Amino acid sequence: ILNVEQSPQSLHVQEGDSTNFTCSFPSSNFYALHWYRWETAKSPEALFVMTLNGDEKKKGRISATLNTKEGYSYLYIKGSQPEDSATYLCAHTGHTTDSWGKFQFGAGTQVVVTP
Amino acid sequence: EAGVAQSPRYKIIEKRQSVAFWCNPISGHATLYWYQQILGQGPKLLIQFQNNGVVDDSQLPKDRFSAERLKGVDSTLKIQPAKLEDSAVYLCASINLGNNYEQYFGPGTRLTVT
Repeated sequence: ILNVEQSPQSLHVQEGDSTNFTCSFPSSNFYALHWYRWETAKSPEALFVMTLNGDEKKKGRISATLNTKEGYSYLYIKGSQPEDSATYLCAHTGHTTDSWGKFQFGAGTQVVVTP
Repeated sequence: EAGVAQSPRYKIIEKRQSVAFWCNPISGHATLYWYQQILGQGPKLLIQFQNNGVVDDSQLPKDRFSAERLKGVDSTLKIQPAKLEDSAVYLCASINLGNNYEQYFGPGTRLTVT
């Protein structure tokens, strides 16, 4: 994988249901994987920065896992609420000199939670 | 701490007109980014500054886009002349080098070119 890819592009979730979606990234030249939540008309907000293979992070009802060897990360939302409706972006940063500080973004997964 | 500030929040212009966006990053953040986010796509880096120097502007359409960060603090991005395909959200972000590259974003400027 040369680019950062997210799937699905969008999903609709019933309030109270749990859901998850994927971010795939280049497994070579890996430094960190970043997750952001972007609500309409607001600034993208950093959720997690993950650097270690097997890393698991949690923030409230949202959690994420990281597999750097195969190049993917999952983001989970447990018991979705309408306020979880947003676009979730992931971004990859590399460790080489020419990729330092460069964020390669996926296209995002748009989550709509309906009451 | 105050967040990344951007203005204006929305702008509608006609093609061939000019437009400028302003960004003030978080105090002390040396690295500043401008991204273009077209509907349905991820943010695409236009230019990256380190203090007042350009680190990467390889994807900046230099025939019409320009950006500066003269004093190493706030920055402006200009489009002259605008094209229909420039309609997008323009995001400014800054990072704290000592914090695992945690990037802080402004609210963006939504540009519509008619």
